Amino acid sequence: GENVEQHPSTLSVQEGDSAVIKCTYSDSASNYFPWYKQELGKGPQLIIDIRSNVGEKKDQRIAVTLNKTAKHFSLHITETQPEDSAVYFCAASRSGGSNYKLTFGKGTLLTVNP
Amino acid sequence: DVKVTQSSRYLVKRTGEKVFLECVQDMDHENMFWYRQDPGLGLRLIYFSYDVKMKEKGDIPEGYSVSREKKERFSLILESASTNQTSMYLCASSFRWQETQYFGPGTRLLVL
Repeated sequence: GENVEQHPSTLSVQEGDSAVIKCTYSDSASNYFPWYKQELGKGPQLIIDIRSNVGEKKDQRIAVTLNKTAKHFSLHITETQPEDSAVYFCAASRSGGSNYKLTFGKGTLLTVNP
Repeated sequence: DVKVTQSSRYLVKRTGEKVFLECVQDMDHENMFWYRQDPGLGLRLIYFSYDVKMKEKGDIPEGYSVSREKKERFSLILESASTNQTSMYLCASSFRWQETQYFGPGTRLLVL
């Protein structure tokens, strides 16, 4: 089955700096890569996703890049703010039957220091 | 707004008890999921359902069962709770495959 590795497990940045979280996946047939943000005491919430037919996607201060050849994808947050502090999870899935299920990385705790 | 609700935020049970965790979504979603979240292990899929009365095992189904009698409701059952099932349990739903999964707030279960 799919295996998703996520790094780093913790990341501390100063407000205004950029943050980058990286994930690698094992199944070359995976074609959907979402990122979820989990704030304290809440369930995860989708913040951005990318499909394998594009290499980059941006939404304001958040961007995701995908390198299918190397089987890795990254989340980039620019101009970080204290409210960006949360746990971030990457995930991957492939098409076809129950293979649609998401496999999550272990998460990155991002702390943005004021 | 999609809303996924879980029956309890916190639950304390004894070893050997039968435990029911309930999840309800209000957006007519086809797919529903149960995950458990443990520190350092991320989110792991226990079971999922793609239609009423349809279910499939996820990555860690041992010790769990599920029930989906109505489209909006997906129940997770611990037939005989054990201490290693102490965890945070998250329910999610999605309209279609490879689309946004909407998560509930989670149930923190402690098995003594």
